[in-house]
Amino acid sequence: GAGVSQSPSNKVTEKGKDVELRCDPISGHTALYWYRQSLGQGLEFLIYFQGNSAPDKSGLPSDRFSAERTGGSVSTLTIQRTQQEDSAVYLCASSLKRGYEQYFGPGTRLTVT
Amino acid sequence: GEDVEQSLFLSVREGDSSVINCTYTDSSSTYLYWYKQEPGAGLQLLTYIFSNMDMKQDQRLTVLLNKKDKHLSLRIADTQTGDSAIYFCAENSQAGTALIFGKGTTLSVSS
Repeated sequence: GAGVSQSPSNKVTEKGKDVELRCDPISGHTALYWYRQSLGQGLEFLIYFQGNSAPDKSGLPSDRFSAERTGGSVSTLTIQRTQQEDSAVYLCASSLKRGYEQYFGPGTRLTVT
Repeated sequence: GEDVEQSLFLSVREGDSSVINCTYTDSSSTYLYWYKQEPGAGLQLLTYIFSNMDMKQDQRLTVLLNKKDKHLSLRIADTQTGDSAIYFCAENSQAGTALIFGKGTTLSVSS
């Protein structure tokens, strides 16, 4: 079946602009996760959604970062007023439910110039 | 806090066995995972082991878990050049809402 998909695959933006990254999880997966991968910090958890429950936002690095998940499926990660330190690969994952194995998408490479 | 440690590099010859080691801190993690990342690609789930198991074998892959020492290893038999990648060890966070990853071990396979 189809895996996790993300768009765009690459995004170059100017410092100070807002960006939106999209994730389509595996059909039927109720849990969705966003991570960030950068050279200096490795893989960092950002946010977790489970069904209609309140998301776990504990990994979001600042209030410039937000995410939503509409209809329990597609998710959008928004970064406002981008900074150069936001440059990284943003990875989305989904799992059948919390605590189950996570399957990752190919990622969005964000470059802030 | 939760932490996962891995050695950063491993270099082997084609046909040899590779062993990648990992230590973790959270003994409550139900599962422990190995992911593979090839250049420019996302993370591929290679295998995982339930915390009440000592060993899991899947074709060329063998996972060993020592819960007492909080040590996890991944053995790749008959390593091929296509196995060259970064391998990440991961555990569930205590809340179960995230994976905690090691920094990754870069496996280099020479022919």
